[in-house]
Amino acid sequence: QQQVKQSPQSLIVQKGGISIINCAYENTAFDYFPWYQQFPGKGPALLIAIRPDVSEKKEGRFTISFNKSAKQFSLHIMDSQPGDSATYFCAASRRDGATNKLIFGTGTLLAVQP
Amino acid sequence: NAGVTQTPKFRILKIGQSMTLQCTQDMNHNYMYWYRQDPGMGLKLIYYSVGAGITDKGEVPNGYNVSRSTTEDFPLRLELAAPSQTSVYFCASSYSGVGEQYFGPGTRLTVT
Repeated sequence: QQQVKQSPQSLIVQKGGISIINCAYENTAFDYFPWYQQFPGKGPALLIAIRPDVSEKKEGRFTISFNKSAKQFSLHIMDSQPGDSATYFCAASRRDGATNKLIFGTGTLLAVQP
Repeated sequence: NAGVTQTPKFRILKIGQSMTLQCTQDMNHNYMYWYRQDPGMGLKLIYYSVGAGITDKGEVPNGYNVSRSTTEDFPLRLELAAPSQTSVYFCASSYSGVGEQYFGPGTRLTVT
């Protein structure tokens, strides 16, 4: 119930293409769904996040689509660029004690080929 | 603002040795977290703190200890290092405990 399942494990996209990464969860108590971007040798950094009261959120070339009934959410990267090559983690969080705790997916390694 | 800083960047330990991973943040965040990242496994929460003097266990606390004597610092202690503790360790902080967590650059630890 605490798992977040992420797919695919790796993804190769041509420059200008659309990258799509999918995540699924079981626990309906999750109330915050962020995506983190991690470059090699760096810590993860928040890319975009959504709450379950909206079905889509867009920030520049990055869009989260959220399907509450299916308990799935996805990240779409439009016009993918080589600089987008990184590992992407979805996560879900809910209040647990004194703080919200993030449950991370297993990550997707994205390579955008020039 | 330096954000979240971690030292050391790399460390090799022998089985049974002990060490402390340092984490400091200069954003005056009350909430701080320690994660470990293993290949293909995502990030797992080890310990967290909601303020100076208050800490609690996360998902994988065994073999680790923490303390939080100041708002800025949240060190992670490994006692009797084991090969299973070979990992990359990330410290993070958050203003509200809800929403964005800011991560440090990580410490890559190898136990042999």
